[in-house]
Amino acid sequence: EVQLVESGGGLVQPGRSLKLSCAASGFPFSDYYMAWVRQAPTKGLEWVAYISAGGGGTYYRDSVKGRFTISRDNTKSTLYLQMDSLRSEDTATYYCTTIGIPWGQGVMVTVSS
Amino acid sequence: QFVLTQPNSVSTNLGGTVKLSCKRSTGNIGSNYVNWYQQHEGRSPTTLISRDDKRPDGVPDRFSGSIDRSSNSALLTIINVQTEDEADYFCQSYSSGIYIFGGGTKLTVL
Repeated sequence: EVQLVESGGGLVQPGRSLKLSCAASGFPFSDYYMAWVRQAPTKGLEWVAYISAGGGGTYYRDSVKGRFTISRDNTKSTLYLQMDSLRSEDTATYYCTTIGIPWGQGVMVTVSS
Repeated sequence: QFVLTQPNSVSTNLGGTVKLSCKRSTGNIGSNYVNWYQQHEGRSPTTLISRDDKRPDGVPDRFSGSIDRSSNSALLTIINVQTEDEADYFCQSYSSGIYIFGGGTKLTVL
């Protein structure tokens, strides 16, 4: 079955770190660029980061540059998002996504003291 | 980079036809592919249209995507609107590796 399964979310204090994972299955993961997209409660979709198929190219939205790191392990068909120096405004459901593959269920990240 | 503008909300009658717009602020709408996503309340988004007008397997042919160069907009057309089409719809395009999302349109079926 073609699917993306996110994990690693939770409640974290401001300034702390969290690492999200996205396990891919049912398609040739190493052939696909991947992205993280988030959605704050009652808000729209917001792109966070992008990584090329081979992992050599990465892009970030300005508000997470220097704090978040996107990476991938093509041998494990897994995408990651290392989130450091978390802020309350990072509170959202995080989705991993790529073109042509159904979205996963997402993972909730809550940044609060 | 450009902005994609969508109307906040649109209402349409059951069985009718509706066109949802996604207007690009600068640059040519045809320069980068546009994707459309549907999101029901409390659910993950699903891809309705990719690369301007391609429907993924399983998406009903009531949904179609197009580009209107005269208004520099992408359009999502839904014909024979059903109650289950009541949802949020987001357009998305690209700019130098960056994803750009529209703010989303809430579709209400009357």
